[in-house]
Formats: sequence, structure tokens, C-alpha cells
Amino acid sequence: DARVTQTPRHKVTEMGQEVTMRCQPILGHNTVFWYRQTMMQGLELLAYFRNRAPLDDSGMPKDRFSAEMPDATLATLKIQPSEPRDSAVYFCASGPGQGSEKLFFGSGTQLSVL
Amino acid sequence: DAKTTQPTSMDCAEGRAANLPCNHSTISGNEYVYWYRQIHSQGPQYIIHGLKNNETNEMASLIITEDRKSSTLILPHATLRDTAVYYCIVRPAGGTSYGKLTFGQGTILTVHP
Repeated sequence: DARVTQTPRHKVTEMGQEVTMRCQPILGHNTVFWYRQTMMQGLELLAYFRNRAPLDDSGMPKDRFSAEMPDATLATLKIQPSEPRDSAVYFCASGPGQGSEKLFFGSGTQLSVL
Repeated sequence: DAKTTQPTSMDCAEGRAANLPCNHSTISGNEYVYWYRQIHSQGPQYIIHGLKNNETNEMASLIITEDRKSSTLILPHATLRDTAVYYCIVRPAGGTSYGKLTFGQGTILTVHP
């Protein structure tokens, strides 16, 4: 079955370090989303792309977070410098972008910033 | 996007139907109702969506009231693997927020043996 692949599954780092999370969307999907999930805030949309172009990143702290799609098979979410409050599960999702909001989510990257 | 209201938690016996309600009294004519679920430690999973008519697929049925102010997700024969958080989401199919899903707190469904 086609699936969204996220790496790494788990990441433990120290405050101040750079963190890069990667996502391989389902082949042929032209929308990609980054969500963050914490116990307090639930699932929050950070950014999303259509045809590799960023459409909305208003949910993302601009000073330390950046999201890119170098090509159609790779999306990245980078945090620099990381802080303990960034500890969360980060999910990537992709969609066919054909009028359906049937999004497919990856298994997430669990980030712990010490 | 219209706001949704769901019960915080529900219980269901294995093998019985699970009926999960959702209120969306401010829904607009062009807004769809979507249901996703999230099993522990996994990403959310699409279940079903609809506009006006009732919908059924291999996972569930979606019943939307005639005035569209509320809906019910039905899992006809719940199993232990259906224990999850269920999210009801309302949003338009197009526009500038195309594809963007806003998740609320959802309903924690616990299926008991």
C-alpha cells in the first residue's frame, strides 16, 4: 500500500541543536502538510504546500522553523535552534489535491528536546 | 470553518454499533463533514466524508441530518481495534484553505470486550 514515510521516527536532542525531519509523500500527491501534536494543544497545522509551493505557514514559528520541498518526493521541516517547548510529535500528510480532503498521514516523528 | 462539538468520551461494547455524534450548527452550504480517527501512537486516518446525503464505505456510515446541523458516525460492529480518538471536521471543499484540516479535541472511543 502507498504510504507517507517520515524519518526519523524518534529524535532526542539537546536544546540549541538543529533538527531536521523528513517526509516522503505518496507518489502523485500534490499537497503536503506538516502538523504538530502535543497533549496541551492537540493537532496543529504548521504549514502546507501545493505543487511544492508553500501556501500557508502561518502556524509555524518563523524565527526558528522552516519548511521546504526540495522536490516532489521530499518535504523537510527544520528547527534551528531547537527548544524544549518544541517537544512534540510531528506528522506529515499528503493528499491528491483533487477536491478531496482525504489526507494520508505518516507515522510521525517524536521529538524530545532536552 | 464551522466549529464542531463532540462528546469528550464514549464507551462501546465489542460487536455492537458505535454511534458518535457531532454538532456543527453553523455549517455553511458549501462545507463538508469529514471524520478522521487516530489510534494511539499513529497518525490520523481518514474514515469518511459527506455533504448532504448519507454515506457508507467499508469502514463506517455517516448520517447527516436534513438541516445539516449535526451528524453521526456509525461503526456498525465495533472491535477492540476501533478504540481511538475520533475527529469530526467541517470545512469547504475549495477556496484558499483548500485541503486544510483543523482538528478539535475529538471523542475518545473505548471499545470494551
